[in-house]
Amino acid sequence: EAGVTQFPSHSVIEKGQTVTLRCDPISGHDNLYWYRRVMGKEIKFLLHFVKESKQDESGMPNNRFLAERTGGTYSTLKVQPAELEDSGVYFCASSQDRDRGIYEQYFGPGTRLTVT
Amino acid sequence: AQKITQTQPGMFVQEKEAVTLDCTYDTSDQSYGLFWYKQPSSGEMIFLIYQGSYDEQNATEGRYSLNFQKARKSANLVISASQLGDSAMYFCAMREGPFSGGYNKLIFGAGTRLAVHP
Repeated sequence: EAGVTQFPSHSVIEKGQTVTLRCDPISGHDNLYWYRRVMGKEIKFLLHFVKESKQDESGMPNNRFLAERTGGTYSTLKVQPAELEDSGVYFCASSQDRDRGIYEQYFGPGTRLTVT
Repeated sequence: AQKITQTQPGMFVQEKEAVTLDCTYDTSDQSYGLFWYKQPSSGEMIFLIYQGSYDEQNATEGRYSLNFQKARKSANLVISASQLGDSAMYFCAMREGPFSGGYNKLIFGAGTRLAVHP
């Protein structure tokens, strides 16, 4: 079974440019999450999709960030325009939706974004 | 507000010995879950172990066990018989709220970097 994949693994862009990150969750996982870790700080939740619907986007920092999950499969996270403080590692995770018990989130390898 | 605290930025342990990584949490919810993830130098986040707030027994997964002390709001990870491959960053995380619905986001601690020495 393939794990969560993310593309690209690393992106270097200039301030003001646009970058789109992609996440492919584990097949069959309805839940998809985006997190990010800014240098030296904790990993922070950005948003949560259930299928194609945004369940919780309380962690999105501002309107320069746009996440989509068309068709309930892969998701994209677009940053437009990018600012220096957006640099960090962006993680995607997916999980099944079970009524009880563990439903751990499986993480992708992350995309390291560097804004210069 | 919910919060996870990992007070040990770095730890080291001798190979084959046991090590405890500390984690305390703060929440007003009665229902929550606690996770530990491992992040090796390659960057991926690997799920290790889970403890539900209503679980009466401490969780165990192979060499990993979770020392859950609910009254003290602590969920320490114990790694027995450390191996060189255990060298990594370890994150404690908490899921707020009930088991399903829109309460699935994880709150992470700052992490503890573990170095296993031969």
